[in-house]
Amino acid sequence: KNQVEQSPQSLIILEGKNCTLQCNYTVSPFSNLRWYKQDTGRGPVSLTIMTFSENTKSNGRYTATLDADTKQSSLHITASQLSDSASYICVVSARAGTASKLTFGTGTRLQVTL
Amino acid sequence: EAQVTQNPRYLITVTGKKLTVTCSQNMNHEYMSWYRQDPGLGLRQIYYSMNVEVTDKGDVPEGYKVSRKEKRNFPLILESPSPNQTSLYFCASSSDPYEQYFGPGTRLTVT
Repeated sequence: KNQVEQSPQSLIILEGKNCTLQCNYTVSPFSNLRWYKQDTGRGPVSLTIMTFSENTKSNGRYTATLDADTKQSSLHITASQLSDSASYICVVSARAGTASKLTFGTGTRLQVTL
Repeated sequence: EAQVTQNPRYLITVTGKKLTVTCSQNMNHEYMSWYRQDPGLGLRQIYYSMNVEVTDKGDVPEGYKVSRKEKRNFPLILESPSPNQTSLYFCASSSDPYEQYFGPGTRLTVT
């Protein structure tokens, strides 16, 4: 069964600090991995997407890494800001013929405080 | 502005009263889908559509119907809502199954 597990479930950090969110997956056959940011009451917005051959991808202060051998990904947030307070969702895609199958993690809720 | 719109954003209804949540996108995307999001469970796919008149079940299709008569619209229909369908619903569209653009969400409460 395809699964995506994220940790920690929630996290509180001070503004300006860095943090790293984890995503472990058992999805096969792997196609790509995407991180989304979801503000409270809003729809998820894509931050990064990585395919099998990519191991690092950055989007401003967000840097995602992928280790396809260990089936782990991380999202590193540098110099956090209050606006980073949100849920971060890891989504892994599996190839399924001409279609695809998405498996969503339950997310990490990040709160950035003063 | 490229966007996915959903209506209504909030809805409180009673058990058994048929309702429709509309979804529309202006990006000419072929692929559209509906998700529900419940605490601790993450997003789960209800139905998806790969093009006009082509729809298929996702992971949790029971109690829902969809139609895709036009490329831009993908309504979600609850023929006889029940309290276990109380949830936050998202519509998404994309030009391929991977890049999903999500709508703002519809919070549904069934009493």
